[in-house]
Order: sequence, then structure tokens, then C-alpha cells
Amino acid sequence: DAMVIQNPRYQVTQFGKPVTLSCSQTLNHNVMYWYQQKSSQAPKLLFHYYDKDFNNEADTPDNFQSRRPNTSFCFLDIRSPGLGDAAMYLCATSRGGRGTGELFFGEGSRLTVL
Amino acid sequence: KQEVTQIPAALSVPEGENLVLNCSFTDSAIYNLQWFRQDPGKGLTSLLLIQSSQREQTSGRLNASLDKSSGRSTLYIAASQPGDSATYLCAVRRSYNFNKFYFGSGTKLNVKP
Repeated sequence: DAMVIQNPRYQVTQFGKPVTLSCSQTLNHNVMYWYQQKSSQAPKLLFHYYDKDFNNEADTPDNFQSRRPNTSFCFLDIRSPGLGDAAMYLCATSRGGRGTGELFFGEGSRLTVL
Repeated sequence: KQEVTQIPAALSVPEGENLVLNCSFTDSAIYNLQWFRQDPGKGLTSLLLIQSSQREQTSGRLNASLDKSSGRSTLYIAASQPGDSATYLCAVRRSYNFNKFYFGSGTKLNVKP
């Protein structure tokens, strides 16, 4: 059973038209992450939440925002997508604190910008 | 800063061969190391998690080893099959700045029938 669920799996938008990607988890993990992955590259961390605490990476463009209304859900908002934002967006979760520290991913949302 | 490198970037082998994928990291102060598999257009699937106190972990035909002092991990795949074709990534979690993971760019494996 899927434990980290991302919607939609595929999103096509026009240049400059806002997009929201969603992630939900059934693992009750404290920490939720958003990564951007371009072809043949390592996933790049955009930001993460530890409970309600938001942690932005220094090089994440202002165009990218996130919301976490509750433990189970997290959203990625791209306010004005450019052609360079076309990528796979991956949501991941892990348990906070010093447990096993395993990272779990969803299936990803592929964003195409026309 | 933690840097993670995976060599080679791509590997093609005939079916049945045993093979080793490499992952190296620059900061040995790690909490754990995780190996993932990624199929085209999909998310990352966890294969093995090896804690910093462990030397190896096994799951089926997969065996991951960890040598913290030398900053290296290997993923050994026995008797490779065409279904093993995918990109394999490693990720390191440091023992401080605990909630960040550092990824390699992956090794793209092709197992030929």
C-alpha cells in the first residue's frame, strides 16, 4: 500500500500559470521534504518541514512555496513556472529524532511547462 | 559540506553477472546511508538502509557494505536480471544537521538479456 502519495502524477502548465502539487502520507512522520529532480541528476532539496517548522534551502527560488496544513499533507506551490522549472518533483518523509532515519518517497509529480 | 559521488554513472552488463556499484562521501560523520532504486519516471524505492554502526546489510540478492572511515559504500547485486535495470542512488544522512540527506547522482544500470 502506498504510504507517500503524490498528486497529480503528471501536470502540464503554461509558462507563468501557477501550479500546486500535493503530497499526503500515512506514516505519521514528523518530517516532510520536497525535492526537485532533473534528468540524470541527484534530487535537489527545496525545503522541508519538521512538524510545523519550515526550513527553506538557501538556493531555493522565491517562486517556490510550501504549505503543511497538518501532519499528513504538504503542498508545493510554484507561483510562476518557467521553462527551467520543468522537472520531477518528489515528496519524501522521515521520522524525526534519532530513529532508523529511513527516508520514504512518493511516486513523484512530473511537471511540464509549455 | 557533504559531497556524495557515484561511479560509474552508467553500467551495462549481461544477465547473470554479479556487479558492484560504488558510493563515496566526503564527511565520515554520518548517521546512516540508504540505497535507492529509481525506475524511469518514478519515485525512489528504498532498497537497503545501513546504520553508521553497521558494516553491511542484506536483502535477497542485494548486499550493501559501509566503510565509514574511508567514506565508501558498495551495493553488490548477485546474479543480475533484466528487471534490475534502473538507476541506483545512494543518500547519506549526517550525524549532525540531522534532517538533511545528501544524494549521489546515481548509477544507471542496464542488464542485457
